[in-house]
Amino acid sequence: DADVTQTPRNRITKTGKRIMLECSQTKGHDRMYWYRQDPGLGLRLIYYSFDVKDINKGEISDGYSVSRQAQAKFSLSLESAIPNQTALYFCATSPGAATNEKLFFGSGTQLSVL
Amino acid sequence: SQKIEQNSEALNIQEGKTATLTCNYTNYSPAYLQWYRQDPGRGPVFLLLIRENEKEKRKERLKVTFDTTLKQSLFHITASQPADSATYLCALVAAGNMLTFGGGTRLMVKP
Repeated sequence: DADVTQTPRNRITKTGKRIMLECSQTKGHDRMYWYRQDPGLGLRLIYYSFDVKDINKGEISDGYSVSRQAQAKFSLSLESAIPNQTALYFCATSPGAATNEKLFFGSGTQLSVL
Repeated sequence: SQKIEQNSEALNIQEGKTATLTCNYTNYSPAYLQWYRQDPGRGPVFLLLIRENEKEKRKERLKVTFDTTLKQSLFHITASQPADSATYLCALVAAGNMLTFGGGTRLMVKP
């Protein structure tokens, strides 16, 4: 079983729809992250959470919101999807205190907004 | 502005040769740098971390160098194999900040 699980793996939706992407982890890590990946642009940080009561905006948070329901669960919502939110979305975790620790990624969700 | 640059063109090499990938950065003073491997349809997987006070780090067939004067990291795979074909991402962190990724370089190793 994957340590970091994202659902769904693929989603096609229409402009204006509300979408939720879910992430769960069995690694016991406190820190969780949402990134989006666009061809040639690398991974860009959307939101991150260092524990259940902590939510922080990343580089590109506009148009997105998150919820940290439990240590193991971190969901990303698009309140009103638009076509330029079409991208590959990754959830990641890391163990704790040091910001230099490596990230563990899920397999991604390919989102297409028509 | 801060920028991390990796060659966007694919690197094609013959099996057995050494692959060298480059990561250049501007307007950063990174505390450390990481390299990840990404296969199609999968999330990135951590490979190596090198700190600003380290010149070189090795792991099996992998070697990473970090030159803070040139603002560059080189990632080497010796005795490359077709199974090494993937996209390789560099990521760096300045003290107190979050990890920032480059766009990645695709490596193709031909048998």
